[in-house]
Amino acid sequence: QKEVEQNSGPLSVPEGAIASLNCTYSDRGSQSFFWYRQYSGKSPELIMSIYSNGDKEDGRFTAQLNKASQYVSLLIRDSQPSDSATYLCAVKLDRETSYDKVIFGPGTSLSVIP
Amino acid sequence: DGGITQSPKYLFRKEGQNVTLSCEQNLNHDAMYWYRQDPGQGLRLIYYSQIVNDFQKGDIAEGYSVSREKKESFPLTVTSAQKNPTAFYLCASTKGLGQGTYEQYFGPGTRLTVT
Repeated sequence: QKEVEQNSGPLSVPEGAIASLNCTYSDRGSQSFFWYRQYSGKSPELIMSIYSNGDKEDGRFTAQLNKASQYVSLLIRDSQPSDSATYLCAVKLDRETSYDKVIFGPGTSLSVIP
Repeated sequence: DGGITQSPKYLFRKEGQNVTLSCEQNLNHDAMYWYRQDPGQGLRLIYYSQIVNDFQKGDIAEGYSVSREKKESFPLTVTSAQKNPTAFYLCASTKGLGQGTYEQYFGPGTRLTVT
């Protein structure tokens, strides 16, 4: 089982719809979770961090975390063509390591259709 | 403005040549990282450094080398021993071990093509 899994997509949604991006992780003790957006040819940009079960909202973005199910999601409301990008889920591993090990998922490609 | 810079943006080299990628940050972060990203794939960790004058191998360190002589700088050398060096290279930083936050901030990347 991979440590962080995401559907590769592409996920296509019409403009104005809600885009739902999902991520599962294997390290049951993980406490810190991140969503990054990566436009084609660019570097990843942090858009959300979440640490507690439940929802965290920031503008049109909502991150949802369910530690019992080892599941984290990102909802994008009122999707815009400018949201078209690859979204990377990242998880800080709980097990003891020599550094703050963050594992990135492979990313989900989102396409918002005008 | 604080941030991470990488240079050059694009780099072309002949097979068999070593090449050094620059990474500089002015965020006052202790920890720095080098990742490699191949088309359609996730980020793979090459090397990381938690503090000046110390660095450790990541998951795919073979064929790469780094140095950390200054807090602000973490250059990566891609040696001729790296079998498939063509990739997008990303430098990142975090506040550091034990600081309680783990958000990684990325530089703009260097796209290396070796022919």
